[in-house]
Amino acid sequence: EAQVTQNPRYLITVTGKKLTVTCSQNMNHEYMSWYRQDPGLGLRQIYYSMNVEVTDKGDVPEGYKVSRKEKRNFPLILESPSPNQTSLYFCASSPPWDTDTQYFGPGTRLTVL
Amino acid sequence: DAKTTQPPSMDCAEGRAANLPCNHSTISGNEYVYWYRQIHSQGPQYIIHGLKNNETNEMASLIITEDRKSSTLILPHATLRDTAVYYCIAQGAETSGSRLTFGEGTQLTVNP
Repeated sequence: EAQVTQNPRYLITVTGKKLTVTCSQNMNHEYMSWYRQDPGLGLRQIYYSMNVEVTDKGDVPEGYKVSRKEKRNFPLILESPSPNQTSLYFCASSPPWDTDTQYFGPGTRLTVL
Repeated sequence: DAKTTQPPSMDCAEGRAANLPCNHSTISGNEYVYWYRQIHSQGPQYIIHGLKNNETNEMASLIITEDRKSSTLILPHATLRDTAVYYCIAQGAETSGSRLTFGEGTQLTVNP
């Protein structure tokens, strides 16, 4: 089944403790992206990647890092999480011929205490 | 990206057609109309998109007016599982690879 998977689905952590949220897609998509969703603010893009080793900042990149060493994986790294990064996070991927048709993962609900 | 306007909420009876409107009066010639939906706290789901012509797939139909200033997403036989927030996005090819801009969307509630 074609899908985007994220792990973990739920995470409660404390301020300053480094964490990684993994994202993997099995559709051989070149484009991948991370969004966060907050009440009243909608979905906002954090980082995106057009291909392996190519990443770029979205609208709200501060406090996040990403890497794209393989086509299928696009992990989101929070080096020193803070409470304002408590949010619902979505990973998405899309084929190169239409990067606006995006397939989203199930989401990761992160709470930073 | 052109601004889109959608009603905040709509109701529909199960089994009936759900017609969700979207205004995009400032849409430019190369901007597509995309529809996504999000069932409570799940990942957004792509539904359909179009440029000028009406489009249909297994999920829905998209009707775009001739002047392209508005469109309607049609779910022909709504089910309870279609209850979700529906987002209309007008986005041009030049922004591909950047981001999808989701607005407030329309909360569609399908009632038994």
